[in-house]
Amino acid sequence: SAVISQKPSRDICQRGTSLTIQCQVDSQVTMMFWYRQQPGQSLTLIATANQGSEATYESGFVIDKFPISRPNLTFSTLTVSNMSPEDSSIYLCSVEPLVDTEAFFGQGTRLTVV
Amino acid sequence: DQQVKQNSPSLSVQEGRISILNCDYTNSMFDYFLWYKKYPAEGPTFLISISSIKDKNEDGRFTVFLNKSAKHLSLHIVPSQPGDSAVYFCAASGTSYGKLTFGQGTILTVHP
Repeated sequence: SAVISQKPSRDICQRGTSLTIQCQVDSQVTMMFWYRQQPGQSLTLIATANQGSEATYESGFVIDKFPISRPNLTFSTLTVSNMSPEDSSIYLCSVEPLVDTEAFFGQGTRLTVV
Repeated sequence: DQQVKQNSPSLSVQEGRISILNCDYTNSMFDYFLWYKKYPAEGPTFLISISSIKDKNEDGRFTVFLNKSAKHLSLHIVPSQPGDSAVYFCAASGTSYGKLTFGQGTILTVHP
């Protein structure tokens, strides 16, 4: 397993601003991912954070809106840019510790945009 | 297009009885299926999984059944305990165990 620390755990932000969410893992992992859970909805994959290269985004998500960094095998950030109230969601980091093993999730960041 | 569906938003069960949570999928490329449990203000916690080459996987009180021809899986919890009360998500993957497509979740309430 892996212990995942996500910061901040929650935030209230003004529209038009940006928020960067950090995800720190206690061990090196092969794969890191970012998910979003909008109110009353399921979890949706935003992107795969690739170490040393650009993230791979899922359909409907773009780098300009959700820039992602992964400088090493234990850390990643997700930025929610130019926020609007529609960005109010829980954002979750997840990791696949080893190839073909179950993914573990951080506790999530609850974002409210006002 | 919802590729993974949990048609029951909620389920209420008496302590000690069986809880059965259902999940349907449409994408035949999915070959690995997982169940996660989520408490409020926490991230999802992995519960149990099953590969498409199997039809059953058991872990203590939790059993997952897979019917590939029907594109249907279910999670059985026996006996149910009040601590099992949570939101249960069905998830599926085709390429990477971490790239998951989730269902909408089922809120399970186990009454003492």
